[in-house]
Amino acid sequence: GAGVSQSPSNKVTEKGKDVELRCDPISGHTALYWYRQSLGQGLEFLIYFQGNSAPDKSGLPSDRFSAERTGGSVSTLTIQRTQQEDSAVYLCASSLEVGGYEQYFGPGTRLTVT
Amino acid sequence: AQSVAQPEDQVNVAEGNPLTVKCTYSVSGNPYLFWYVQYPNRGLQFLLKYITGDNLVKGSYGFEAEFNKSQTSFHLKKPSALVSDSALYFCAVRASSGSARQLTFGSGTQLTVLP
Repeated sequence: GAGVSQSPSNKVTEKGKDVELRCDPISGHTALYWYRQSLGQGLEFLIYFQGNSAPDKSGLPSDRFSAERTGGSVSTLTIQRTQQEDSAVYLCASSLEVGGYEQYFGPGTRLTVT
Repeated sequence: AQSVAQPEDQVNVAEGNPLTVKCTYSVSGNPYLFWYVQYPNRGLQFLLKYITGDNLVKGSYGFEAEFNKSQTSFHLKKPSALVSDSALYFCAVRASSGSARQLTFGSGTQLTVLP
């Protein structure tokens, strides 16, 4: 079966522009996570969606970051007014949550802000 | 708050020798523990997990890990290393109870297996 997919794989944007990153989780997985991986900060949790519950946004670094999950499936992470410190690899993961617990990761989107 | 420590940034081992990648954790209550591997320019691949039961868990590619509650450790092991095992390894933890479901990762250990 298909794994977690993310698009685009690479994104270069100018400082101040908005970007949207997409994640398509494994079919049937009810939980979806966004993480950020950067050299200085390692792997950081950003946001978590579980079914129809309100998302856990506790990891979002600023109000420039937002995410939504439509229809319990595809998710979009939006970064407004990008800054150079936003440059990182953004990873999406999904899990069954009940029973499985392990999270399956997509290949990531490498964001470069110039 | 939960945390993971991987004390070694780099581990080198000769092919055919046993390998160990160390991990200690801190979490409230019982932990769920995971190991992931990352190859260059790739996402994280799940290797194995400890949820409950036997302290020795086996995973993909011949890897295993031992949960030690008293030492709060979850070291990754393999009896005989392969050159193809060379990659970046991450240990992760989450609490078994409470509303938080996200993983907290260690800083990663670069494993190099020398031919």
